Amino acid sequence: GAGVSQTPSNKVTEKGKYVELRCDPISGHTALYWYRQSLGQGPEFLIYFQGTGAADDSGLPNDRFFAVRPEGSVSTLKIQRTERGDSAVYLCASSLAPSTYNEQFFGPGTRLTVL
Amino acid sequence: DQQVKQNSPSLSVQEGRISILNCDYTNSMFDYFLWYKKYPAEGPTFLISISSIKDKNEDGRFTVFLNKSAKHLSLHIVPSQPGDSAVYFCAASALKDNYGQNFVFGPGTRLSVLP
Repeated sequence: GAGVSQTPSNKVTEKGKYVELRCDPISGHTALYWYRQSLGQGPEFLIYFQGTGAADDSGLPNDRFFAVRPEGSVSTLKIQRTERGDSAVYLCASSLAPSTYNEQFFGPGTRLTVL
Repeated sequence: DQQVKQNSPSLSVQEGRISILNCDYTNSMFDYFLWYKKYPAEGPTFLISISSIKDKNEDGRFTVFLNKSAKHLSLHIVPSQPGDSAVYFCAASALKDNYGQNFVFGPGTRLSVLP
């Protein structure tokens, strides 16, 4: 079945480098969410899109983090000048519409390691 | 300060017995609660939810109980099966015009069901 896919599954980079993480949501899902999960913690909300626009980016930790969804489907999370503290699993989820009652379907995540 | 707490990092239960996973929250604005289940190398999958207008919701072997005055919810699994072994996350949200959603997740409880 066509679930949420994320690429790459693993990304190792060096401190200070730029990375892009990609999310392909379920076809037809208008809402897309990014979360970050650090070791031993639950997913932490970063940003959500309704269509092409970022409806809530209150979870982005600082201006090194940016996300886009130019055509309302695929989304890219961009991290500039990576730091060791950015190491985590980055999860993407999508839902049919941005309602609390619509189930969020998660992808398998991208494990980012910053050396 | 964690708004959603799961104070038991792990739980072991014998197959066929009841598993009880607990979750506490601090934000009185939360009015919708969910449980997600996560297997290794996969994204979380939705299990069951409950609105604050209810105190119980049941779906097959899974029942969620909500005690609003105590700001506490629990997930009961009965009978427990080895396939239930996973990490369980409690999540909460505050309805905002039915848009969403900035779910706040707990740190998770690892359930092991022993055959």
